[in-house]
Amino acid sequence: GENVEQHPSTLSVQEGDSAVIKCTYSDSASNYFPWYKQELGKRPQLIIDIRSNVGEKKDQRIAVTLNKTAKHFSLHITETQPEDSAVYFCAASMDSSYKLIFGSGTRLLVRP
Amino acid sequence: DVKVTQSSRYLVKRTGEKVFLECVQDMDHENMFWYRQDPGLGLRLIYFSYDVKMKEKGDIPEGYSVSREKKERFSLILESASTNQTSMYLCASNSGQGISGYTFGSGTRLTVV
Repeated sequence: GENVEQHPSTLSVQEGDSAVIKCTYSDSASNYFPWYKQELGKRPQLIIDIRSNVGEKKDQRIAVTLNKTAKHFSLHITETQPEDSAVYFCAASMDSSYKLIFGSGTRLLVRP
Repeated sequence: DVKVTQSSRYLVKRTGEKVFLECVQDMDHENMFWYRQDPGLGLRLIYFSYDVKMKEKGDIPEGYSVSREKKERFSLILESASTNQTSMYLCASNSGQGISGYTFGSGTRLTVV
């Protein structure tokens, strides 16, 4: 089955700097890759996703890149703000409606 | 706005008890999922269901079972609770019509003593 590895497990950046979180997956059949943000004590929320027919997708300060050949995808957050502090999870699936397999999570701390 | 409601926010049960965790969604979603969340391990899939009375095992089904008698309700059952099942349990649903993203419930923090 699918296996998703996520790095780093913790990331501390200065406000205004960029943050990058990386994930690799094992199943070449996967073609849907969402990212979820979980603030302390709250439920995970979808922040951005990408499908295998696209190499990069942006939404304001966040972007996701996908390299299908290497089976890895990354989340990029620019101009980080304290409210970006949270745990971020990557995931992979064969389809947006199918079961998601999640990475182990990255705790991002943005220092004011 | 889709609502996924988990019946209990916090639960404390004794070893060996049979435990029911309930999840209800109000948007007629076909797909429902149960995950457990542990620090450093992320969200691990326990069971999922794509239709009423249908269930499939996820990555860690041992010690758990599920029930989906009605479309809106997906129950997770711990047949005989053990201390290693102490965890945060998250339910999620998805429309199954190519629309992206899960909607998660608020979670149930289960402690088995």
